[in-house]
Amino acid sequence: RKEVEQDPGPFNVPEGATVAFNCTYSNSASQSFFWYRQDCRKEPKLLMSVYSSGNEDGRFTAQLNRASQYISLLIRDSKLSDSATYLCVVTRNTGGFKTIFGAGTRLFVKA
Amino acid sequence: EAGVTQFPSHSVIEKGQTVTLRCDPISGHDNLYWYRRVMGKEIKFLLHFVKESKQDESGMPNNRFLAERTGGTYSTLKVQPAELEDSGVYFCASTRQGYTGELFFGEGSRLTVL
Repeated sequence: RKEVEQDPGPFNVPEGATVAFNCTYSNSASQSFFWYRQDCRKEPKLLMSVYSSGNEDGRFTAQLNRASQYISLLIRDSKLSDSATYLCVVTRNTGGFKTIFGAGTRLFVKA
Repeated sequence: EAGVTQFPSHSVIEKGQTVTLRCDPISGHDNLYWYRRVMGKEIKFLLHFVKESKQDESGMPNNRFLAERTGGTYSTLKVQPAELEDSGVYFCASTRQGYTGELFFGEGSRLTVL
């Protein structure tokens, strides 16, 4: 079992739709949580950090449930420009600082 | 401020040849990481430098991979001899010392081994 698991995707949605991505992590020692966005043939870039209290940045809302070891990302009013791969990323400091990536969920937003 | 830069952006070599990838981190970033993404798989950790020292090289696949960071500035990752399964995108990322938040990535070096 992978340490960070994401919805396999791809997700195909029309413009204006709301889409939710799910992610689970297996190591209870995980400390910090992030969503990264990766455009085709580009590098990953931080989209937002994820906190237990939940956090929102415009159309994007991220949630963390430590008890369930579950992370989510909600995108409202999807835009064509939201088309990308969304990576769930977890860090821990066991045996050294480690950053663990999920395989990513591909999103296609269509007109 | 310049971001993380990697060179070459794409390299095509034959099995058995040698390739050296270079990463220039953001100026002042002591932490430098190498990652690799093989087609269809998740990004996987290769190794971590703190300045010129290898902090963690547990992700290096085998002894055909050699990473260096002489002087604690840029880093090189050499693959010798390259095998077909080494094909993928090699990402470099950097952060400042002690920081455990956002990783700043380079655009990656795509390696194709024929």
